[in-house]
Amino acid sequence: QVQLVQSGAEVKKPGASVKVSCKASGYPFSDYAMHWVRQAPGQRFEWMGWINVGHGNTKYSQRFQDRVTITRDTSASTVYMDLSSLRPEDTAMYYCAREWEKLTNWFDPWGQGTLVTVSS
Amino acid sequence: DIQMTQSPSSVSASVGDKVTITCRASQGVSRWVAWYQQKPGKAPKLLIYAASTLQSGVPSRFSGSGSGTDFTLTISSLQPEDFATYYCQQANSFPSITFGQGTRLEIK
Repeated sequence: QVQLVQSGAEVKKPGASVKVSCKASGYPFSDYAMHWVRQAPGQRFEWMGWINVGHGNTKYSQRFQDRVTITRDTSASTVYMDLSSLRPEDTAMYYCAREWEKLTNWFDPWGQGTLVTVSS
Repeated sequence: DIQMTQSPSSVSASVGDKVTITCRASQGVSRWVAWYQQKPGKAPKLLIYAASTLQSGVPSRFSGSGSGTDFTLTISSLQPEDFATYYCQQANSFPSITFGQGTRLEIK
């Protein structure tokens, strides 16, 4: 079955960077785009960005444009999300989510989430 | 960004009740709306997409409707496993995808 498995929880200091991985299985990896979404405690979901896994091109939310980089390693069926210049308000659960149907931006499935804590 | 506003923010209901959750977009999004269910400590699950299309494997007691700015998610007869938080999402203005603030469905 289609499955996304994310890397484990991270604790970072303000100003540092974090790289979260998302390993996909159960489908042709290059055929579907991948999104990254986060949820801070008590907040709504925030869409961060997207990668066309087949071509490698990306689009980012304006809110994160200057700090986020999404990449992929097709040989490892893995997508990565790198967030730099971390601040305490970046403390959140970070999810990768595959597009359900091509070019539709509906998310299914989601990874299990990676908790990133930013604290001095 | 398009703002998605859900109402109510929380609702209490009993098993067997019919529940309706609404989502209003700050501008028209055609039918580019999805609904997700999230249980504590779990990732969200896609229930409805394109405003009214039921995702595979989702029980038929869930339904969605709407277009333009106003959308609804209806659960026709609540089951114990339906108590969760529900979110709407618009995908009309890619790459500016936004979510509602969530509606918590609690047991009365």
